[in-house]
Amino acid sequence: GIQVEQSPPDLILQEGANSTLRCNFSDSVNNLQWFHQNPWGQLINLFYIPSGTKQNGRLSATTVATERYSLLYISSSQTTDSGVYFCAAYTSGSRLTFGEGTQLTVNP
Amino acid sequence: NAGVTQTPKFQVLKTGQSMTLQCAQDMNHNSMYWYRQDPGMGLRLIYYSASEGTTDKGEVPNGYNVSRLNKREFSLRLESAAPSQTSVYFCASSKRGIETEAFFGQGTRLTVV
Repeated sequence: GIQVEQSPPDLILQEGANSTLRCNFSDSVNNLQWFHQNPWGQLINLFYIPSGTKQNGRLSATTVATERYSLLYISSSQTTDSGVYFCAAYTSGSRLTFGEGTQLTVNP
Repeated sequence: NAGVTQTPKFQVLKTGQSMTLQCAQDMNHNSMYWYRQDPGMGLRLIYYSASEGTTDKGEVPNGYNVSRLNKREFSLRLESAAPSQTSVYFCASSKRGIETEAFFGQGTRLTVV
């Protein structure tokens, strides 16, 4: 099956810094989502992004499906951005396959 | 509009006990899913239901059964719980299968002792 790899596994930032999280996938995908899992364990939808670029406030995402990667940009990070960021790729056969996540810690 | 609702939120079971995790969505979605998340890992698909009346195995189906009760509800049953099933369980739904955005419930934290 498809492999979804995220990097870096861990990231520590000072408040106000910018960051880029990467998601690589091993095969063509039908679609891709980014999630934020907050410290309480809740999974929050960030982006549903098959291709192109989307922006939502300080966050933006870009997916280049032909090159099999997606990027999540966080600008002017805040402590509330802390948590785990997951990408999940859709493949044929109705499977939404998750990467292992990037653990982000934003220090005040 | 509650989205995806899971019950219970927490549960402790003894080895060998059985239980059913409940999931309901109010978004009129066709597809529903059950995932488990082990510490420090991503989510792995247990079972899914592409539409009412159908269910299929995911990546880690052993030890579980599911029932798509109606369009709104999708339950996950552990017939004989084992410590290896200690995990956080998430239910999700999407409008019409894997090519539409999936939304997740708040999770059920299950401990098997």
